[in-house]
Amino acid sequence: DAGITQSPRHKVTETGTPVTLRCHQTENHRYMYWYRQDPGHGLRLIHYSYGVKDTDKGEVSDGYSVSRSKTEDFLLTLESATSSQTSVYFCAIRPGQGASGANVLTFGAGSRLTVL
Amino acid sequence: QQQVKQSPQSLIVQKGGISIINCAYENTAFDYFPWYQQFPGKGPALLIAIRPDVSEKKEGRFTISFNKSAKQFSLHIMDSQPGDSATYFCAASLTGNTPLVFGKGTRLSVIA
Repeated sequence: DAGITQSPRHKVTETGTPVTLRCHQTENHRYMYWYRQDPGHGLRLIHYSYGVKDTDKGEVSDGYSVSRSKTEDFLLTLESATSSQTSVYFCAIRPGQGASGANVLTFGAGSRLTVL
Repeated sequence: QQQVKQSPQSLIVQKGGISIINCAYENTAFDYFPWYQQFPGKGPALLIAIRPDVSEKKEGRFTISFNKSAKQFSLHIMDSQPGDSATYFCAASLTGNTPLVFGKGTRLSVIA
């Protein structure tokens, strides 16, 4: 997916361990989002950012924290992973208001996390 | 509270047939309604979108029909092809900076 990369793409970890997923963009877009995708639940917003150091919670933010110290990077951290956080995590980016395609989300390829 | 309800959860269509996926929303302030397409192992990608000032938008074999009074919108895929087999998500948002709210998705299988 051009302009947006997620790492790692796959990770297996144990309950109670910390995990950080990274989203990196080269588009200089203002908005960045973390979603999780689970069967039967679709895409649910975890956290999002509307600028450097500006973040807000989504509908399923419990157990997750985020940081954005640079425009290009948005980190998602699970402080103490639980089995319920086994999921596929997608990062998405969006230009700011007034930009061409301002409402269009571009998604990364996803990070599959398994918590044993 | 689910703000966008999508149905059916899964759909099997014969090649050449019409695929129809429906969504209903609750917030009458929503003014942007996109559909995203996701192939296995990939992230979702924008397929087509509509605003409530029009009742229909067509792009190739894909059409969005919008019914503002019923608070419903649907995706029609004409002449469905096996390559259309994917998961489709409807979504809605307000103008501005509010995040998209997604439906739960529909897994479409087009069989020959």
